[in-house]
Amino acid sequence: DAGVTQSPTHLIKTRGQQVTLRCSPKSGHDTVSWYQQALGQGPQFIFQYYEEEERQRGNFPDRFSGHQFPNYSSELNVNALLLGDSALYLCASSLGPGGNQPQHFGDGTRLSIL
Amino acid sequence: EDQVTQSPEALRLQEGESSSLNCSYTVSGLRGLFWYRQDPGKGPEFLFTLYSAGEEKEKERLKATLTKKESFLYITAPKPEDSATYLCAVNLNQGGKLIFGQGTELSVKP
Repeated sequence: DAGVTQSPTHLIKTRGQQVTLRCSPKSGHDTVSWYQQALGQGPQFIFQYYEEEERQRGNFPDRFSGHQFPNYSSELNVNALLLGDSALYLCASSLGPGGNQPQHFGDGTRLSIL
Repeated sequence: EDQVTQSPEALRLQEGESSSLNCSYTVSGLRGLFWYRQDPGKGPEFLFTLYSAGEEKEKERLKATLTKKESFLYITAPKPEDSATYLCAVNLNQGGKLIFGQGTELSVKP
C-alpha cells in the first residue's frame, strides 16, 4: 500500500523564481493538505484541496497557489520566491476534508532559496 | 487566538527511564487532537487521535491521554529507537486545518 509520495525531494531556487511541488496521496484518500515546516518548528497549514477545489486556506500570501487533479494528486506552486520561503514543504492526505480523520504525511520537499 | 504549546522543548532520557511529554492548547471548538512522531529528514508519522476528554490510546511503549486543556504522551521504558521529535496538533470545528505545536525533541541514550 503506497503511502504519500512527494517530488522532488530537494530543490534549489533563486529569489524571484517560481517552483512547483508535486504530491500523490495515499491509496484511497481523496483530500490533500499542504504544510510548510521551518527548521525546528511545527508544520504550518497552507491550504487544503478536496474535489479539485481549495477548501480551506491558512495565513499565506497569494504567491502560494495549488491545484488538485481528478486522480486526487496535487501541486503546490510558489511564485516570486523569497529567502523566507526556504523550508520543508509537506503534503498530507486524508479521507474527506472534515479533519476528524488522521492526515498521513509524505517525507516532504526540501526547498532552498539562494 | 488558537494556540498549541508543547513542553519540554527537548528531553533527554536514559534507556528504561519513563517520562511524559505535554501538549497544552487554548482553542475553541476542539474536534480532535493528534500525536505524530517525526524522524530527521522525514515527514510526521501518525501515532494517535484523541477526540474527547478522558480518552486514552496506547501503542507499544506509548500512551496518550486527553483532558479539556491538555494532552500527555507517556513513554514507558523507552528505547534508543524512540528518539525522535514528537508533535501534537489540534483540529477545530472549521475544516481540515491542523494547528501544530513546536514539538518535543526526545533523545534516549543506551
